[in-house]
Amino acid sequence: GAGVSQSPSNKVTEKGKDVELRCDPISGHTALYWYRQSLGQGLEFLIYFQGNSAPDKSGLPSDRFSAERTGGSVSTLTIQRTQQEDSAVYLCASSRPKRLAGADPGPYNEQFFGPGTRLTVL
Amino acid sequence: ELKVEQNPLFLSMQEGKNYTIYCNYSTTSDRLYWYRQDPGKSLESLFVLLSNGAVKQEGRLMASLDTKARLSTLHITAAVHDLSATYFCAVDIGKSGSEKLVFGKGTKLTVNP
Repeated sequence: GAGVSQSPSNKVTEKGKDVELRCDPISGHTALYWYRQSLGQGLEFLIYFQGNSAPDKSGLPSDRFSAERTGGSVSTLTIQRTQQEDSAVYLCASSRPKRLAGADPGPYNEQFFGPGTRLTVL
Repeated sequence: ELKVEQNPLFLSMQEGKNYTIYCNYSTTSDRLYWYRQDPGKSLESLFVLLSNGAVKQEGRLMASLDTKARLSTLHITAAVHDLSATYFCAVDIGKSGSEKLVFGKGTKLTVNP
């Protein structure tokens, strides 16, 4: 089936401009996550949405960053007044709680990642 | 705050050799995930480890989890060039099955002919 898709794949913008990044999760996945990956670094959590619950925004680096998820599906990450340090690959992931059959350690959370949007701020 | 540490961060090895990547984490968890990332690509799920003593194997890769030691290992057997990639471990401390993951910084593996 279709995986997580993101658009655009690449975005070059000038410092001070606003950008919007889009994520389409896997159909049926209730949770959606945004991460940021700077060159050669690990993944930095930004925000996650679970169903109709209030999003966990604890990873957003500043108030220039915001995200919304409409209709429990597509999400948009918006960066206002972009700065050069915002240059990175922005990755979206989605998941749904799963359980193993038999002995049950509780639900687990295997996240599936999109291809990312490479953002370059000049 | 949960911290996840991988070592080594860089690993260069010869084809045919064995090696182990380590992932330590600081808070109790019984859910750990391994991902692979090829250059310029996104992350691909490799293993899901859900209990103490869990062991999963796929081809030349084997992952294990020791929740008491808060340690997971990714063992590479008889490495081949195709295994060259960056490997990330990630830990989940949620109970609902939909919590954020905390990732290690990744281990960049280069397998030389």
